[in-house]
Amino acid sequence: EVQLLESGGGLVQPGGSLRLSCAASGFTFSNCALSWVRQAPGKGLEWVSSISRTTGITFYVDSVKGRFTISRDNSRNTVYLQMNSLRVEDTAVYYCARHSGTTSSPFDYWGQGTLVTVSS
Amino acid sequence: AIQMTQSPSSLSASVGDRVTITCRASQGIRSDLDWYQQKPGKAPKLLIYEASTLQSGVPSRFSGSGSGTDFTLTISSLQPEDFATYYCLQDYNYPRTFGQGTKVEVK
Repeated sequence: EVQLLESGGGLVQPGGSLRLSCAASGFTFSNCALSWVRQAPGKGLEWVSSISRTTGITFYVDSVKGRFTISRDNSRNTVYLQMNSLRVEDTAVYYCARHSGTTSSPFDYWGQGTLVTVSS
Repeated sequence: AIQMTQSPSSLSASVGDRVTITCRASQGIRSDLDWYQQKPGKAPKLLIYEASTLQSGVPSRFSGSGSGTDFTLTISSLQPEDFATYYCLQDYNYPRTFGQGTKVEVK
């Protein structure tokens, strides 16, 4: 059974940092690209970042470029999202999502989400 | 970035109704479009990919059509478990962009 388990969310002050983790199981991790998608309270879904299967190619939404870094450790079956210089508008539930294959493929499995709250 | 516009933003329907949701892309995206269903407090679920391919395990009352800029999600006979919010997503290029969502509510 495919499982994605996010962790690392919490309350942080504006300008602070957090690192989200997503531990995967139930599939061959290096065969799938991975992404982070967020949802602000009461709002719609927003794609944040993606990373390819093995080459480390990454993509970011403009609003997080230079502040967020996605990475993966294929030996630990884990994907990360390092979030620096956090802003109030980054407050959201952050979902880890698996692509069915390459970064061009759809998100076929999602984690349960982890809440990030940026507030003073 | 490609803009995805869904309509309507919400609709009221009854069990057994046929429901249609549309999604329009600001430029042609071939058939590189997915549909997701999200229930309150839950993660989204993939329903349809490549505009018309049903994800494994998804009931056949869901169908998708379209290519280029105009796409449609149809629920042929609405069931109680289908009351949810639906999102389209273009995977033609990056940045990936979602539609704003369509909330299907009980009439």
